[in-house]
Amino acid sequence: AQSVTQPDIHITVSEGASLELRCNYSYGATPYLFWYVQSPGQGLQLLLKYFSGDTLVQGIKGFEAEFKRSQSSFNLRKPSVHWSDAAEYFCAVGAWGNTPLVFGKGTRLSVIA
Amino acid sequence: DAGVIQSPRHEVTEMGQEVTLRCKPISGHDYLFWYRQTMMRGLELLIYFNNNVPIDDSGMPEDRFSAKMPNASFSTLKIQPSEPRDSAVYFCASSLDGAGGHQETQYFGPGTRLLVL
Repeated sequence: AQSVTQPDIHITVSEGASLELRCNYSYGATPYLFWYVQSPGQGLQLLLKYFSGDTLVQGIKGFEAEFKRSQSSFNLRKPSVHWSDAAEYFCAVGAWGNTPLVFGKGTRLSVIA
Repeated sequence: DAGVIQSPRHEVTEMGQEVTLRCKPISGHDYLFWYRQTMMRGLELLIYFNNNVPIDDSGMPEDRFSAKMPNASFSTLKIQPSEPRDSAVYFCASSLDGAGGHQETQYFGPGTRLLVL
């Protein structure tokens, strides 16, 4: 069975600073990896996904993530954070066969001036 | 496309009452998932359907919870009787059937925030 660990519960960054949110997964085969964002009181919006091919994937809102098989990681990055990026970020892993996603516990991002 | 639609958006009820949550998936999607989000347990799967048929309901907490999908455009999650520990945000998500078994993106609704007093 798959599992996901997001080691950081809460991160605070200054507006304009770079951001990296960590995600480690456990799965015996090639994983399907996702990052979702949840703004307060809202549903989950897909930021980006990795299925195969290029290990650096680009997403919406200027986010990118890199799949590193050797480290079982799929970290999310953004070069310059905006105040509107303050939200909760979830990493998720799926398996072959269109199975339900397994989510990490999330990382809450705060952005300060 | 309107996306996944859930109703109600908010529900406050008293312990022992029946609660029914509704979901309309994106048209043409073959899979429908019900997830629950709590502070303690995060996001966890309750049940999912493929072509209106329940595939895995092992996440349903107990017999008080039931889910149906009478047709491709509608699903319900019912809690009877409700208890305070059922307070959570309930999300519905839908996806296409991935070709060759590939995992397809799941699109989430806005959620139903349930408070059981």
